Amino acid sequence: GAGVSQSPSNKVTEKGKDVELRCDPISGHTALYWYRQSLGQGLEFLIYFQGNSAPDKSGLPSDRFSAERTGGSVSTLTIQRTQQEDSAVYLCASSSTRDYGYTFGSGTRLTVV
Amino acid sequence: QKEVEQNSGPLSVPEGAIASLNCTYSDRGSQSFFWYRQYSGKSPELIMSIYSNGDKEDGRFTAQLNKASQYVSLLIRDSQPSDSATYLCAGRRDFGNEKLTFGTGTRLTIIP
Repeated sequence: GAGVSQSPSNKVTEKGKDVELRCDPISGHTALYWYRQSLGQGLEFLIYFQGNSAPDKSGLPSDRFSAERTGGSVSTLTIQRTQQEDSAVYLCASSSTRDYGYTFGSGTRLTVV
Repeated sequence: QKEVEQNSGPLSVPEGAIASLNCTYSDRGSQSFFWYRQYSGKSPELIMSIYSNGDKEDGRFTAQLNKASQYVSLLIRDSQPSDSATYLCAGRRDFGNEKLTFGTGTRLTIIP
C-alpha cells in the first residue's frame, strides 16, 4: 500500500481481556517497529523486526506483550490480560533502509476500562 | 538521565521569526539523528535527518549536529502558524541496533 496501515484505529477493551493490534507496512520495507505513546509522553520503543533476523524485543514492558511478523510483512502486537496502564496510542512504523527515518502509521488508540 | 533530552516547552515564536529547537543526547554511539513533527492527535512525520557534523538545509528547515557537544538542533525560518506542533528529536546507533530513541518532544506555537 501507499502508507503504513494500522487497525483498528480505536479499541476499547475491558481490563483483563486480550487485544490484537495489526500493522501492514509499506510494501518492500524490510524493517518494522512498534512504539507506544502515552498521553503527553514521548515514544516508547517496544519491538523491532528486520527481515529474517530475530526481533529486538528489548522494549516490551512485560511478558503480557508479544508480537509476530508473518511472511516478512504484516505484524500483530498482542497484549494479554490488559491493564489500565496499557492505555496508549500504539504506533507502527516501517523503513526500507538504515539511511532513512521511519514512516509511521496512524496508530491504534487503546483504552482499557 | 534520558538518552535524548528536549525542552518540553511550550515555545512561542511570532509568525515570520526563526524558531530554534534543541536536543541533547547521552549515547556517544549515536550516529544518525532525525526530527519529526507531530500535530495534535496525529502520528509523527519525518521532516529532517542528519548524519554528519554541521548544517543541513531543506527549504525553511535547517538541522544542525555537533557530535563533540552531543547536540542537535532544528531551525525553522519564516515560521508559519502551520508549523505549530510538537517536534520530536530522535537518535540511532547504526551498528547492531536500528531502533530510534526519541525525546519527549518540544511543543511549538507560532503566534500570528
